[in-house]
Amino acid sequence: QSVLTQPPSVSAAPGQKVTISCSGSSSNIGSNYVSWYQQLPGTAPKLLIYENNKRPSAIPDRFSGSKSGTSATLGITGLQSGDEADYYCGTWDSSLITVFGGGTKLTVL
Amino acid sequence: EVQLVESGGGLVQPGGSLRLSCAASGFTFSSYWMNWVRQAPGKGLEWVANIKQDGSVKYYVDSVKGRFTISRDNGGNSLYLQMNSLRAEDTAVYYCATTDYGGNAAGCWGQGTLVTVSS
Repeated sequence: QSVLTQPPSVSAAPGQKVTISCSGSSSNIGSNYVSWYQQLPGTAPKLLIYENNKRPSAIPDRFSGSKSGTSATLGITGLQSGDEADYYCGTWDSSLITVFGGGTKLTVL
Repeated sequence: EVQLVESGGGLVQPGGSLRLSCAASGFTFSSYWMNWVRQAPGKGLEWVANIKQDGSVKYYVDSVKGRFTISRDNGGNSLYLQMNSLRAEDTAVYYCATTDYGGNAAGCWGQGTLVTVSS
């Protein structure tokens, strides 16, 4: 059972927009920054979003992040087949550990 | 090129020990917190441990406390994970990752090394 809660799966058609939610508590998301990772099949995770809504320079602006209270959201616009992957949220917890969500599998229909 | 390369994984019997290594190159290793993150087969990511730049502060997930030890050699640009009293539930791909972005975000990951605990 993960500390952060994500939907197991989401899907949308190519070109459409999808959002992935991440729910936590006051001890983690509520008081710390959230990051998002993409894991393509058979590969290591890749950082998409840090500090709730910032993108590393190589990440296209189709990817966005937001946070409100104890929840965070990853948005992906202009869906492409290459976006099919598992997505994870992560943050620091006041118990002095890093926590991840259980992951969300994105299917591009 | 920024690179992390893990090694040391393999098959070990329950109760056994293994030492993982992570060789860093292309960046100033001593400037960053470092992490071990694992992923059991078909499961999600689980953070295992991290260590401060000078090695003076270490944190662990409860499930490995007292069994695993994270360490680093800044002169040799290497990160280690000593794993003792291994259990079947420790079977996973182990990644090393650098906390090189704000908000505790890990921007650089190795390719992972598989640890299998089985008799």
